[in-house]
Amino acid sequence: SQQGEEDPQALSIQEGENATMNCSYKTSINNLQWYRQNSGRGLVHLILIRSNEREKHSGRLRVTLDTSKKSSSLLITASRAADTASYFCATTGNQFYFGTGTSLTVIP
Amino acid sequence: KAGVTQTPRYLIKTRGQQVTLSCSPISGHRSVSWYQQTPGQGLQFLFEYFSETQRNKGNFPGRFSGRQFSNSRSEMNVSTLELGDSALYLCASSNWGDSGANVLTFGAGSRLTVL
Repeated sequence: SQQGEEDPQALSIQEGENATMNCSYKTSINNLQWYRQNSGRGLVHLILIRSNEREKHSGRLRVTLDTSKKSSSLLITASRAADTASYFCATTGNQFYFGTGTSLTVIP
Repeated sequence: KAGVTQTPRYLIKTRGQQVTLSCSPISGHRSVSWYQQTPGQGLQFLFEYFSETQRNKGNFPGRFSGRQFSNSRSEMNVSTLELGDSALYLCASSNWGDSGANVLTFGAGSRLTVL
């Protein structure tokens, strides 16, 4: 399977702390994306990083990509209770391949 | 601009029945893809349609089928329902294949429960 894997599967932090989640994948990619899913809802696109980029920022989000290690990380700084959700990485070849997700809980 | 609309949002069926789910993509998006999400298996790709043609297909049995209409609206059908088909079915649209970025916009999903 080309499906990625996020690590950790679950993460619980206090509001104001930073949250880091990692994604590993198996094949070469065109780009890697991160999505967020609130409980029982559809996924929402957060950020895209192309295969020739190493780091990208968007607001409180920072994404890194290491194609030699086939891995990516998503950092959420100064977390808020509203960041509580599941986070998925997705790689794109001829279709999207989603990881298994990290469940983030931010405690107020 | 309106988002991706999925209907129905919730439905309950019994084993052996069939179900049809509908998805209206964002206006102008020609690609519609479907995913099955379950707690144990995560997000599993079902199929993708682009301009009324199935372009990619996941590893699901033939009981799962879909189609796309000329207005890009898509339906998926599951026949002879099994208990294991209980899941959240997500539809996503994109302008994949056009010059824009290939980002997926998801609907809220259709929650299917098979009894």
